[in-house]
Amino acid sequence: DGGITQSPKYLFRKEGQNVTLSCEQNLNHDAMYWYRQDPGQGLRLIYYSQIVNDFQKGDIAEGYSVSREKKESFPLTVTSAQKNPTAFYLCASSTRTMTDTQYFGPGTRLTVL
Amino acid sequence: QKEVEQDPGPLSVPEGAIVSLNCTYSNSAFQYFMWYRQYSRKGPELLMYTYSSGNKEDGRFTAQVDKSSKYISLFIRDSQPSDSATYLCAMGSALYNTDKLIFGTGTRLQVFP
Repeated sequence: DGGITQSPKYLFRKEGQNVTLSCEQNLNHDAMYWYRQDPGQGLRLIYYSQIVNDFQKGDIAEGYSVSREKKESFPLTVTSAQKNPTAFYLCASSTRTMTDTQYFGPGTRLTVL
Repeated sequence: QKEVEQDPGPLSVPEGAIVSLNCTYSNSAFQYFMWYRQYSRKGPELLMYTYSSGNKEDGRFTAQVDKSSKYISLFIRDSQPSDSATYLCAMGSALYNTDKLIFGTGTRLQVFP
């Protein structure tokens, strides 16, 4: 089955720790995205990548970092510099551009203890 | 003013009702309009994608776009309890080689038997 997988489903972090969220796709899509979803707010773009070894900051990139070493993978690191990291994180991919249909993974719920 | 406004609900309707979900927007550059459905603690899935004014129908779902009024709607006919979810509108533009996609905050729909 083609699709996007995210792991883990739930993640707990102590303050001051960095954590990495995994995102893998087998749809052969060029573009991948990371969004953050908070109650009462729309999805907000953290980072996106339209090609391997290249990525761009989204609207709320501070405190996050990404890499795109392989077409299939786009991991997100939430660093200790992110002041309020507790949220639902969604990874998505699309054929090429942001306005192509985006397919979402199941999400990772991150909680800072 | 937010670029995209969406009533958060919850909207509670009986099974079989016609549901109308709406979004307004302020940026006349938006060219692409999407509706996503998101079940609790899951990733969003695309329901409808349109890039022109008028209506687009897919089964029980109809997407309506009125660019002159900057208003989009999603109608659900013969609503079912399985339609209970949060519905997100999203809008995009692709001007000047810069893609942009903005999500609404989502409307929570509850369909009771």
